[in-house]
Amino acid sequence: EADIYQTPRYLVIGTGKKITLECSQTMGHDKMYWYQQDPGMELHLIHYSYGVNSTEKGDLSSESTVSRIRTEHFPLTLESARPSHTSQYLCASSEFTDQETQYFGPGTRLLVL
Amino acid sequence: GQNIDQPTEMTATEGAIVQINCTYQTSGFNGLFWYQQHAGEAPTFLSYNVLDGLEEKGRFSSFLSRSKGYSYLLLKELQMKDSASYLCAVRDSNYQLIWGAGTKLIIKP
Repeated sequence: EADIYQTPRYLVIGTGKKITLECSQTMGHDKMYWYQQDPGMELHLIHYSYGVNSTEKGDLSSESTVSRIRTEHFPLTLESARPSHTSQYLCASSEFTDQETQYFGPGTRLLVL
Repeated sequence: GQNIDQPTEMTATEGAIVQINCTYQTSGFNGLFWYQQHAGEAPTFLSYNVLDGLEEKGRFSSFLSRSKGYSYLLLKELQMKDSASYLCAVRDSNYQLIWGAGTKLIIKP
């Protein structure tokens, strides 16, 4: 069971603001992921990382950026928040194994007014 | 394109058995996962299948047929706490997880 943390848990912010969603894991997992999930819908991969200084884009990455300076930390930044960004953001991590099970943080619920 | 199909919602009675089906069409196959997600919470890992057959883990079992692109999750002795969404996800040839929209399971007393 991975220990993975996200802050803030809830965020209400105005259009145009810059925001950073934090994600940290204490399991030493190399791979980390950011997903976006709307209620009743599938998870969409935004960004992922294979390790320090590695970042890759997923399906919905064009309006956000990530960094991976330390193994345990994988923050997601929205440069200019819009109402269309209102969603739940889930961070996950996994080890490099045959199974590579992804373990999720509690999520950040974002509301952009 | 890649596609994961699951029923949107199912209802079952406490103490009964329920089977949640998942069919998939993906570019390659490198394993299938089932996750449980309670409302407003993050997904938690339930099971993993990469070879054909049944994997049993307590009250939960998961079955895979790669030739049919089909899996099911079987929940026995249902409890009220099993009310949740159950997500099927397939790892494709690029080692990315393709997610279904989930099946909302409602347990009635």
